[in-house]
Amino acid sequence: GQQLNQSPQSMFIQEGEDVSMNCTSSSIFNTWLWYKQEPGEGPVLLIALYKAGELTSNGRLTAQFGITRKDSFLNISASIPSDVGIYFCAGQSYSGGGADGLTFGKGTHLIIQP
Amino acid sequence: NAGVMQNPRHLVRRRGQEARLRCSPMKGHSHVYWYRQLPEEGLKFMVYLQKENIIDESGMPKERFSAEFPKEGPSILRIQQVVRGDSAAYFCASSLTEYEQYFGPGTRLTVT
Repeated sequence: GQQLNQSPQSMFIQEGEDVSMNCTSSSIFNTWLWYKQEPGEGPVLLIALYKAGELTSNGRLTAQFGITRKDSFLNISASIPSDVGIYFCAGQSYSGGGADGLTFGKGTHLIIQP
Repeated sequence: NAGVMQNPRHLVRRRGQEARLRCSPMKGHSHVYWYRQLPEEGLKFMVYLQKENIIDESGMPKERFSAEFPKEGPSILRIQQVVRGDSAAYFCASSLTEYEQYFGPGTRLTVT
């Protein structure tokens, strides 16, 4: 099956620093999405990307859909304490039956040191 | 403007019992997806349903697991004769079209 390699696995940063994480895949996806999950909760959609090369922002978050359709990155600028959590990339492809379920990376744990 | 609702939030079952997990999609959403998450792991796709139809169940274990999304009422994920390995968080997501999926808070299943 399809697999996503997400890196880094964890990040320890100071408040105010910029953050960058990425996902790569051995196969093509039609859609890339980025989610954030906090303990005991479900993933919350941050950004959705639909076109190769697309660059989309949501406040301090910026994500890009790689031109090869096999990768995506997420940047967070000027991190604040509430950015702490686990960030997941997810890819979606479309087969004959319609949209497939999402394939998730293993997540990037973001920890902000005081 | 309620989001995706799941209940119960926590469920404890003894080995061999049945577990029923419920998911009410966002208003107007007709696409429902179920995922399973093990500790320190990403979510794994299980099944994709539309009203009264299973569209893709390629991620569902072949035995003991079933899902439905009836014309009226919530989607149900049913696990028969639970085993310890079924302990996990189960998430439901819904979407208006086939694109953006919005997740519920999950059901944490513990099998003792």
